[in-house]
Amino acid sequence: SQQGEEDPQALSIQEGENATMNCSYKTSINNLQWYRQNSGRGLVHLILIRSNEREKHSGRLRVTLDTSKKSSSLLITASRAADTASYFCATANNDYKLSFGAGTTVTVRA
Amino acid sequence: EAGVAQSPRYKIIEKRQSVAFWCNPISGHATLYWYQQILGQGPKLLIQFQNNGVVDDSQLPKDRFSAERLKGVDSTLKIQPAKLEDSAVYLCASSVGGSQETQYFGPGTRLLVL
Repeated sequence: SQQGEEDPQALSIQEGENATMNCSYKTSINNLQWYRQNSGRGLVHLILIRSNEREKHSGRLRVTLDTSKKSSSLLITASRAADTASYFCATANNDYKLSFGAGTTVTVRA
Repeated sequence: EAGVAQSPRYKIIEKRQSVAFWCNPISGHATLYWYQQILGQGPKLLIQFQNNGVVDDSQLPKDRFSAERLKGVDSTLKIQPAKLEDSAVYLCASSVGGSQETQYFGPGTRLLVL
């Protein structure tokens, strides 16, 4: 079964706008990871945030983690056409097995 | 550095036929994973190898799926016989150490069972 659930399922934004997507999970985790998947391609690891961290940045990406609410958010700032993809959160529990959500499909309009 | 290689990229078979997928992980990566990704869903772990030993195969349908990783490098995943519901993308990933580390994914094999 999939632990993480992303919200929204789909998002359409104008180039240059910010995109925010959320991930909720049910059980305690060791870390939470975000991946990107372009159409017809494999997944690319974006960022990992550990359970004792609250926020991480990587370029135009910002991830937050609230373990009390069992939720995480991924913010993409100043979006570009190349950001069009599906974004997945994956939770790693204490045995580090990754459990993926169903993903958020992001479309960036030129 | 070369990424994770998978072949074939696409495969179409009829139900009850057999099919095999091949994966070559990043050189030096001890851990190899096979995931199944059904359309509209996230990847689901089928099996995890550490070197040539199985770490987790709890979600592998063992009546029809099998996988091996000979010599702790390349791996093959086989389905025999295939069912319609096996239509999916099969992703291979590898990591340097265990699953607490970043996983690097291959492009996947898209399987269609008719």
